[in-house]
Amino acid sequence: SYELTQPPSVSVSPGQTARITCSGDALPNQYVYWYQQKPGQAPLVVIYKDSERPSGIPERFSGSTSGTTVTLTISGVQAEDEADYYCQSTDSNDSSYVFGSGTKVTVL
Amino acid sequence: EGQLVESGGGLVEPGGSLRLSCAASGFTFRNARMSWVRQAPGKGLEWVGRIQRNGDGGTTDYAAPVKGRFTISRDDSKNMLYLQMNSLKTEDTAVYYCVTGLIKWGQGTLVTVSS
Repeated sequence: SYELTQPPSVSVSPGQTARITCSGDALPNQYVYWYQQKPGQAPLVVIYKDSERPSGIPERFSGSTSGTTVTLTISGVQAEDEADYYCQSTDSNDSSYVFGSGTKVTVL
Repeated sequence: EGQLVESGGGLVEPGGSLRLSCAASGFTFRNARMSWVRQAPGKGLEWVGRIQRNGDGGTTDYAAPVKGRFTISRDDSKNMLYLQMNSLKTEDTAVYYCVTGLIKWGQGTLVTVSS
């Protein structure tokens, strides 16, 4: 079955830049969505369709793609950005959705 | 902006059935592709299945672990989405989320499968 690969964890100091990668063979042809999830809360989309930012999401969140890898970048990380982040996409046949295993972002 | 409210979760014994509901408001439900996503305690997100809008045939797709046991349906006249879960297993224990357009999520409802 199709899989998306994320690093388990990323640590970053306040004000620095965090980069979270997500790799998958079908990513060049399918959109990626990024979700932030804090403990006890439902996921919140921070990036959709690879690089679009929903209203209300801070500009420090951005998305980019390069071949089979997509990247969520958080510039000028703040303490409130500490959370789990998941990428999500579709298989090459558009028959199923898949989530990455999640990346825990720790703000030091 | 839209709101999704799930209901119907609870405790059920292995082999049992449960029906989850999702009430949608604030957007044109009949035009929306809808999904169910679950999250087992302490684990990551797992896609369960989706249903296309009726204008696109209303077809459904399911993840392998639930195919043949779970059924997604919708009632556009009531702005409601459903998840019928049969032959439940302990590994189906999770918070179940209703999602529209892969963007708007409900708050989830907890399903516990245990004897």
